[in-house]
Amino acid sequence: DTAVSQTPKYLVTQMGNDKSIKCEQNLGHDTMYWYKQDSKKFLKIMFSYNNKELIINETVPNRFSPKSPDKAHLNLHINSLELGDSAVYFCASSQSRGNQPQHFGDGTRLSIL
Amino acid sequence: GQQVMQIPQYQHVQEGEDFTTYCNSSTTLSNIQWYKQRPGGHPVFLIQLVKSGEVKKQKRLTFQFGEAKKNSSLHITATQTTDVGTYFCARGGATNKLIFGTGTLLAVQP
Repeated sequence: DTAVSQTPKYLVTQMGNDKSIKCEQNLGHDTMYWYKQDSKKFLKIMFSYNNKELIINETVPNRFSPKSPDKAHLNLHINSLELGDSAVYFCASSQSRGNQPQHFGDGTRLSIL
Repeated sequence: GQQVMQIPQYQHVQEGEDFTTYCNSSTTLSNIQWYKQRPGGHPVFLIQLVKSGEVKKQKRLTFQFGEAKKNSSLHITATQTTDVGTYFCARGGATNKLIFGTGTLLAVQP
């Protein structure tokens, strides 16, 4: 059974469009994250939610809006996509007590034409 | 600041050779985690180090945390082709925020 699943795996779209990425975890974790990995493999935290509450909100354009309907789901909506948004977006989850290991989804490869 | 630097950026070895990647911080680390990302894959947790001078082993992998808790290393003995991938260290902090290092890409030639 997949622990952290993201959809879609690939997203190819044009500049200016709006798109969403969904993430679900079945590990019973209470914290979920979104990361962006650029073409140089640099992995950077964007957001985290703990029990549906926004905890980490890094310096991310407000075109990016996360939403957590419950602690098992964390979605990412991106408005007015730009060329620089092309990257792999990873969802992850963990328990909140201490610095617990984070479990990553397979990633969503977003390409902007 | 809180950035974590890793060296080398890239290493190419012959199968059977050893490999080491180093993770350095200018500030004290409360803990450090290591992840492996296979080509086209996602980061997978390997280990967490918490104590000063800690050494942990997983089969051919040896992880070390510096005495001053400002650096860490991952050493692989007798590399195999299955070791190929990017190895990341990540510093832990408040609110479970992980700051990932720049990563070391390991290529293993059979």
